[in-house]
Amino acid sequence: DGGITQSPKYLFRKEGQNVTLSCEQNLNHDAMYWYRQDPGQGLRLIYYSQIVNDFQKGDIAEGYSVSREKKESFPLTVTSAQKNPTAFYLCASSAQEVQPQHFGDGTRLSIL
Amino acid sequence: GQSLEQPSEVTAVEGAIVQINCTYQTSGFYGLSWYQQHDGGAPTFLSYNALDGLEETGRFSSFLSRSDSYGYLLLQELQMKDSASYFCAVRDDAGNNRKLIWGLGTSLAVNP
Repeated sequence: DGGITQSPKYLFRKEGQNVTLSCEQNLNHDAMYWYRQDPGQGLRLIYYSQIVNDFQKGDIAEGYSVSREKKESFPLTVTSAQKNPTAFYLCASSAQEVQPQHFGDGTRLSIL
Repeated sequence: GQSLEQPSEVTAVEGAIVQINCTYQTSGFYGLSWYQQHDGGAPTFLSYNALDGLEETGRFSSFLSRSDSYGYLLLQELQMKDSASYFCAVRDDAGNNRKLIWGLGTSLAVNP
């Protein structure tokens, strides 16, 4: 079955450390997205990519970086510059029409 | 600016009908979609309206009025498993970027 796989499910970061969250899709979608969700809050867009080798900043890109070297993969790096990284991170993909978006199961990042 | 408004909380009882409203303000409009998210889970796509009128999918229906910049999600024969957060979203095509703008979500509590 096609879908989106995020790993790991839980991740812990030490102070000053960069961590990378994985997102892989086999839906053959061109567009991929990274969202951050804080408890009881909505979805905030971090970065998105409409095509391979291209990506754009979302609303809260500071302290994050991405790459899109393959259509199937859109990893997110949470850098040490992100001072409040504890959150639920969701990856999504869509066809060029943007809707609907299909989500992975998410990664919960916490600070040690 | 571009924004969506929806109520933060709604409470109902099993077997009842509930309507979750969403008003939007966007520069362009390419359709309104609805997503469901259970606690700790990922959002899942429920419905999409590009044209005025009612779309029905089982117990869930979604309505759109483009002249009023308004839509709603109607949930019938409520069940306990419908307790979740519901998000409305519209496509934002400002400039050359294609992404979704999200409402802050409506938390639905279904009581026995």
